[in-house]
Amino acid sequence: GAVVSQHPSRVICKSGTSVKIECRSLDFQATTMFWYRQFPKKSLMLMATSNEGSKATYEQGVEKDKFLINHASLTLSTLTVTSAHPEDSSFYICSAGPTGGGYGYTFGSGTRLTVV
Amino acid sequence: AQSVTQPDIHITVSEGASLELRCNYSYGATPYLFWYVQSPGQGLQLLLKYFSGDTLVQGIKGFEAEFKRSQSSFNLRKPSVHWSDAAEYFCAVGALDTNAGKSTFGDGTTLTVKP
Repeated sequence: GAVVSQHPSRVICKSGTSVKIECRSLDFQATTMFWYRQFPKKSLMLMATSNEGSKATYEQGVEKDKFLINHASLTLSTLTVTSAHPEDSSFYICSAGPTGGGYGYTFGSGTRLTVV
Repeated sequence: AQSVTQPDIHITVSEGASLELRCNYSYGATPYLFWYVQSPGQGLQLLLKYFSGDTLVQGIKGFEAEFKRSQSSFNLRKPSVHWSDAAEYFCAVGALDTNAGKSTFGDGTTLTVKP
């Protein structure tokens, strides 16, 4: 149980276009989802907290107008990278939960975004 | 603020040898602690977690970790490493008020396994 699906796994887009990444909880309802960004050879950096039915909470330094987050249902959160630029190229990972009695969060398999 | 330190950036061990990956954390209250493994280009897989109770935690793939409050450590161990264990390992501490979902990660330790 507690499977999180992230789609697409890889995406290449042209500079200036927008890209949407989906994070779905397949077998449980996720009241909260977190979006992380991982740079090469670096740790994960929390970008924002997404709560179903309310506005996302962004971490300091994360541009909310560039990284649009929508959590419209208990099983789906989306991250849209708007007007993407090469510096937005990264590995984006979501986690969803809570599961397992309120203490567990499951990570998706990540999305490799390359902006050319 | 919470923080996690993984002192070893890169560790190389021979297949069959024992392994210990170090993790030190800073947190104002009882922490939720996690170890994750990441293969290249993949997401994170949870190896084990500590919330309370027994300080020696068993995880998947033969891994275990011991929570030592006095040393603010949560080191990961495996008695005999397999070639398939080569990966990136992350220690993380989760915030109590978000049921551990909002996690702070260490910088990771890259494990190389020699044949």
